[in-house]
Amino acid sequence: GENVEQHPSTLSVQEGDSAVIKCTYSDSASNYFPWYKQELGKGPQLIIDIRSNVGEKKDQRIAVTLNKTAKHFSLHITETQPEDSAVYFCAATSSGGSYIPTFGRGTSLIVHP
Amino acid sequence: NAGVTQTPKFRILKIGQSMTLQCTQDMNHNYMYWYRQDPGMGLKLIYYSVGAGITDKGEVPNGYNVSRSTTEDFPLRLELAAPSQTSVYFCATIQGVGAQYFGPGTRLTVT
Repeated sequence: GENVEQHPSTLSVQEGDSAVIKCTYSDSASNYFPWYKQELGKGPQLIIDIRSNVGEKKDQRIAVTLNKTAKHFSLHITETQPEDSAVYFCAATSSGGSYIPTFGRGTSLIVHP
Repeated sequence: NAGVTQTPKFRILKIGQSMTLQCTQDMNHNYMYWYRQDPGMGLKLIYYSVGAGITDKGEVPNGYNVSRSTTEDFPLRLELAAPSQTSVYFCATIQGVGAQYFGPGTRLTVT
Protein backbone atom coordinates (compact mmCIF):
# COMPACT_ATOMS: atom_id res chain seq x y z
CA GLY A 1 0.00 0.00 0.00
CA GLU A 2 0.87 3.67 -0.05
CA ASN A 3 3.36 5.10 2.45
CA VAL A 4 3.70 8.84 3.04
CA GLU A 5 6.61 10.27 4.98
CA GLN A 6 6.54 13.86 6.20
CA HIS A 7 9.40 16.03 7.46
CA PRO A 8 10.15 17.79 9.68
CA SER A 9 7.92 16.80 12.58
CA THR A 10 8.42 20.24 14.17
CA LEU A 11 9.34 23.52 12.50
CA SER A 12 9.99 26.74 14.36
CA VAL A 13 10.34 30.02 12.43
CA GLN A 14 10.29 33.73 13.07
CA GLU A 15 7.37 35.79 11.82
CA GLY A 16 8.02 36.85 8.24
CA ASP A 17 10.27 33.90 7.44
CA SER A 18 9.36 31.16 4.97
CA ALA A 19 8.46 27.61 5.99
CA VAL A 20 8.81 24.46 3.90
CA ILE A 21 7.32 21.06 4.72
CA LYS A 22 8.24 18.05 2.61
CA CYS A 23 6.48 14.76 1.91
CA THR A 24 7.43 11.69 -0.06
CA TYR A 25 5.10 8.96 -1.29
CA SER A 26 5.69 5.43 -2.53
CA ASP A 27 2.76 4.51 -4.80
CA SER A 28 3.11 5.81 -8.36
CA ALA A 29 -0.68 5.40 -8.75
CA SER A 30 -1.26 8.29 -6.34
CA ASN A 31 -2.40 11.31 -8.31
CA TYR A 32 -3.97 13.74 -5.85
CA PHE A 33 -2.10 15.46 -3.01
CA PRO A 34 -4.01 17.64 -0.54
CA TRP A 35 -2.57 19.58 2.38
CA TYR A 36 -4.49 20.15 5.60
CA LYS A 37 -4.08 22.61 8.46
CA GLN A 38 -5.23 21.58 11.92
CA GLU A 39 -5.59 24.24 14.58
CA LEU A 40 -5.74 23.29 18.23
CA GLY A 41 -9.01 21.60 19.14
CA LYS A 42 -10.34 21.56 15.57
CA GLY A 43 -10.60 19.14 12.70
CA PRO A 44 -8.10 19.33 9.80
CA GLN A 45 -9.05 21.77 7.03
CA LEU A 46 -7.98 21.63 3.41
CA ILE A 47 -5.71 24.56 2.55
CA ILE A 48 -4.36 23.65 -0.87
CA ASP A 49 -4.15 20.64 -3.16
CA ILE A 50 -2.40 19.57 -6.34
CA ARG A 51 -3.09 16.95 -8.96
CA SER A 52 -0.41 14.88 -10.63
CA ASN A 53 -0.71 16.66 -13.98
CA VAL A 54 0.42 19.94 -12.38
CA GLY A 55 3.88 20.81 -11.09
CA GLU A 56 3.07 23.81 -8.91
CA LYS A 57 0.06 25.60 -7.50
CA LYS A 58 -0.12 28.87 -5.56
CA ASP A 59 -2.75 30.51 -3.41
CA GLN A 60 -1.61 33.82 -1.94
CA ARG A 61 1.12 33.01 0.61
CA ILE A 62 0.98 29.23 0.23
CA ALA A 63 2.21 27.08 -2.63
CA VAL A 64 2.62 23.39 -3.29
CA THR A 65 5.12 21.77 -5.64
CA LEU A 66 5.07 18.22 -6.96
CA ASN A 67 7.89 16.15 -8.44
CA LYS A 68 6.29 12.98 -9.81
CA THR A 69 9.57 11.45 -10.88
CA ALA A 70 11.06 11.72 -7.41
CA LYS A 71 7.68 11.07 -5.75
CA HIS A 72 7.82 14.06 -3.46
CA PHE A 73 5.74 17.15 -2.87
CA SER A 74 6.23 20.18 -0.66
CA LEU A 75 4.24 22.93 1.03
CA HIS A 76 5.72 26.41 1.01
CA ILE A 77 4.44 29.19 3.24
CA THR A 78 5.92 32.65 2.70
CA GLU A 79 5.80 35.66 5.02
CA THR A 80 4.67 33.49 7.92
CA GLN A 81 2.35 34.98 10.53
CA PRO A 82 1.55 33.80 14.08
CA GLU A 83 -1.85 32.58 12.88
CA ASP A 84 -0.04 30.11 10.61
CA SER A 85 0.96 28.21 13.76
CA ALA A 86 -0.78 24.82 13.53
CA VAL A 87 -0.19 21.19 12.60
CA TYR A 88 0.03 20.55 8.86
CA PHE A 89 -0.69 17.19 7.24
CA CYS A 90 0.12 16.07 3.74
CA ALA A 91 -1.78 13.24 2.06
CA ALA A 92 -1.65 11.14 -1.08
CA THR A 93 -4.69 9.66 -2.80
CA SER A 94 -5.33 7.70 -5.98
CA SER A 95 -8.47 8.41 -7.94
CA GLY A 96 -10.85 5.69 -8.97
CA GLY A 97 -10.99 4.16 -5.52
CA SER A 98 -12.80 5.23 -2.40
CA TYR A 99 -10.89 8.54 -2.10
CA ILE A 100 -9.05 7.09 0.89
CA PRO A 101 -5.94 9.17 1.55
CA THR A 102 -2.73 8.09 3.17
CA PHE A 103 -1.68 10.84 5.59
CA GLY A 104 1.73 11.94 6.70
CA ARG A 105 2.28 12.11 10.43
CA GLY A 106 2.07 15.88 10.58
CA THR A 107 4.34 18.88 11.08
CA SER A 108 3.86 21.21 14.01
CA LEU A 109 4.65 24.72 12.72
CA ILE A 110 5.39 27.37 15.33
CA VAL A 111 5.67 30.98 14.18
CA HIS A 112 7.28 33.24 16.77
CA PRO A 113 6.16 36.90 16.71
CA ASN B 1 -25.00 24.54 5.33
CA ALA B 2 -23.36 22.97 8.40
CA GLY B 3 -21.03 20.59 6.52
CA VAL B 4 -20.21 17.79 8.95
CA THR B 5 -21.52 17.83 12.51
CA GLN B 6 -20.43 15.50 15.31
CA THR B 7 -21.93 14.88 18.73
CA PRO B 8 -20.97 14.82 21.51
CA LYS B 9 -17.93 17.15 21.59
CA PHE B 10 -16.53 15.48 24.71
CA ARG B 11 -17.28 12.26 26.57
CA ILE B 12 -15.80 10.31 29.45
CA LEU B 13 -16.57 6.59 29.55
CA LYS B 14 -15.80 3.93 32.09
CA ILE B 15 -14.11 0.74 30.90
CA GLY B 16 -16.69 -1.65 29.49
CA GLN B 17 -19.33 0.98 28.76
CA SER B 18 -20.79 1.48 25.30
CA MET B 19 -21.58 4.60 23.33
CA THR B 20 -22.39 5.88 19.87
CA LEU B 21 -20.60 8.80 18.27
CA GLN B 22 -22.95 10.61 15.93
CA CYS B 23 -21.99 12.09 12.56
CA THR B 24 -24.25 13.92 10.12
CA GLN B 25 -23.36 15.60 6.84
CA ASP B 26 -25.41 17.91 4.61
CA MET B 27 -22.95 17.94 1.71
CA ASN B 28 -24.92 15.23 -0.06
CA HIS B 29 -21.88 13.07 -0.74
CA ASN B 30 -22.02 9.29 -0.71
CA TYR B 31 -18.60 8.76 0.87
CA MET B 32 -18.10 9.08 4.62
CA TYR B 33 -15.22 8.13 6.94
CA TRP B 34 -14.30 7.72 10.59
CA TYR B 35 -10.77 8.46 11.81
CA ARG B 36 -9.08 8.45 15.16
CA GLN B 37 -6.21 10.74 16.07
CA ASP B 38 -3.96 9.95 19.00
CA PRO B 39 -1.70 12.65 20.54
CA GLY B 40 1.22 13.49 18.27
CA MET B 41 0.10 10.95 15.72
CA GLY B 42 -1.53 11.17 12.36
CA LEU B 43 -5.01 10.10 11.36
CA LYS B 44 -5.93 6.43 11.24
CA LEU B 45 -8.96 5.22 9.30
CA ILE B 46 -11.42 3.14 11.35
CA TYR B 47 -14.29 2.54 8.92
CA TYR B 48 -15.63 4.08 5.76
CA SER B 49 -18.77 3.96 3.65
CA VAL B 50 -19.26 4.56 -0.06
CA GLY B 51 -23.03 4.85 0.21
CA ALA B 52 -26.10 3.97 2.21
CA GLY B 53 -26.05 0.31 3.20
CA ILE B 54 -22.35 -0.15 2.38
CA THR B 55 -19.56 -0.07 4.96
CA ASP B 56 -15.98 -1.31 4.96
CA LYS B 57 -13.11 -1.66 7.42
CA GLY B 58 -10.20 0.71 7.51
CA GLU B 59 -6.82 0.35 9.16
CA VAL B 60 -7.97 0.06 12.81
CA PRO B 61 -11.56 -1.34 12.96
CA ASN B 62 -11.24 -3.59 16.02
CA GLY B 63 -13.54 -2.55 18.87
CA TYR B 64 -15.79 -0.44 16.64
CA ASN B 65 -18.89 -0.89 14.52
CA VAL B 66 -20.68 1.34 12.04
CA SER B 67 -23.92 1.50 10.13
CA ARG B 68 -25.07 3.62 7.21
CA SER B 69 -28.82 3.64 6.77
CA THR B 70 -29.01 7.11 5.15
CA THR B 71 -26.71 9.29 3.05
CA GLU B 72 -26.57 11.88 5.85
CA ASP B 73 -25.75 9.78 8.93
CA PHE B 74 -22.77 7.57 9.75
CA PRO B 75 -22.72 6.64 13.47
CA LEU B 76 -19.73 4.93 15.09
CA ARG B 77 -20.42 2.46 17.89
CA LEU B 78 -18.04 1.47 20.68
CA GLU B 79 -19.35 -1.67 22.36
CA LEU B 80 -16.94 -2.34 25.24
CA ALA B 81 -14.83 0.74 25.81
CA ALA B 82 -11.16 0.19 26.59
CA PRO B 83 -8.47 2.71 27.64
CA SER B 84 -6.81 2.17 24.24
CA GLN B 85 -9.83 3.84 22.65
CA THR B 86 -9.06 7.15 24.34
CA SER B 87 -8.60 9.42 21.35
CA VAL B 88 -10.09 12.19 19.26
CA TYR B 89 -12.52 10.89 16.65
CA PHE B 90 -13.16 12.68 13.38
CA CYS B 91 -15.90 12.01 10.88
CA ALA B 92 -15.36 13.16 7.29
CA THR B 93 -16.93 13.28 3.88
CA ILE B 94 -15.60 14.38 0.50
CA GLN B 95 -15.23 17.89 -0.89
CA GLY B 96 -14.15 19.09 -4.30
CA VAL B 97 -12.11 16.60 -6.34
CA GLY B 98 -11.43 14.22 -3.46
CA ALA B 99 -10.19 15.99 -0.35
CA GLN B 100 -11.57 15.03 3.01
CA TYR B 101 -13.94 17.47 4.74
CA PHE B 102 -13.70 16.86 8.47
CA GLY B 103 -16.11 17.45 11.29
CA PRO B 104 -15.02 19.20 14.52
CA GLY B 105 -14.26 15.96 16.35
CA THR B 106 -15.31 14.11 19.49
CA ARG B 107 -12.78 13.89 22.32
CA LEU B 108 -13.24 10.57 24.13
CA THR B 109 -11.59 9.50 27.37
CA VAL B 110 -11.96 5.95 28.70
CA THR B 111 -10.99 5.47 32.36
